[in-house]
Amino acid sequence: QVQLQESGPGLVKPSETLSLSCTVSGGSIVGYYWSWIRQPPGKGLEWIGIFYYSGRTNYNPSLKSRVTISVDTSKNQFSLKLSSVTAADTAVYYCAREVPGTSTVPPIYYMDVWGKGTTVTVSS
Amino acid sequence: EIVLTQSPDFQSVTPKEKVTITCRASQSIGSSLHWYQQKPNQSPKLLIKSASQSFSGVPSRFSGSGSGTEFTLTINSLEAEDAAMYYCHQSSSLPYTFGQGTKLEI
Repeated sequence: QVQLQESGPGLVKPSETLSLSCTVSGGSIVGYYWSWIRQPPGKGLEWIGIFYYSGRTNYNPSLKSRVTISVDTSKNQFSLKLSSVTAADTAVYYCAREVPGTSTVPPIYYMDVWGKGTTVTVSS
Repeated sequence: EIVLTQSPDFQSVTPKEKVTITCRASQSIGSSLHWYQQKPNQSPKLLIKSASQSFSGVPSRFSGSGSGTEFTLTINSLEAEDAAMYYCHQSSSLPYTFGQGTKLEI
């Protein structure tokens, strides 16, 4: 059973770079799509971006200039970097696996496994 | 960007009641609509994929329907453990988006 676990600093100073990792256990990181999603305190879910196994990425335009998602297959991990953070970036950050459905062509992708989330606070 | 609007924002319900949550998309998304349940201090859990397909292990009282721009999540015979936030999510086009959420209080 695939499990995801986020890790990284819980406190980041304004203007610095937030760096998180997501470790995949119970399965391979190869061959799947991997997303990051965040949730500010008391608010809804915001999709940050995705890493495709082809090596291509796609980011939310609202964060695009500050976001980088990458994969380290040797560690079975993928990571998120968000630069120039402000208090508005304070949130619970989740990683998730995206898989294709099998009943349509082209397939419909959905996020089936999520990590438990890690809280990041931006404060001096 | 596709905007998903859920209704209601909040609903107070009683056990065994039938509940319907609606999600409307700002443009057609086919069947690329999924439903998640999130309990306090937990990550979202997939309930329904591709508008109407139950995800593995999800109780049969949860069902989904719809296509295009209007979708519904139905919970038959509500149980106390179903108290949670419910979110719809579209994967039709980037950027992916979520509805604002519906809080079910039991």
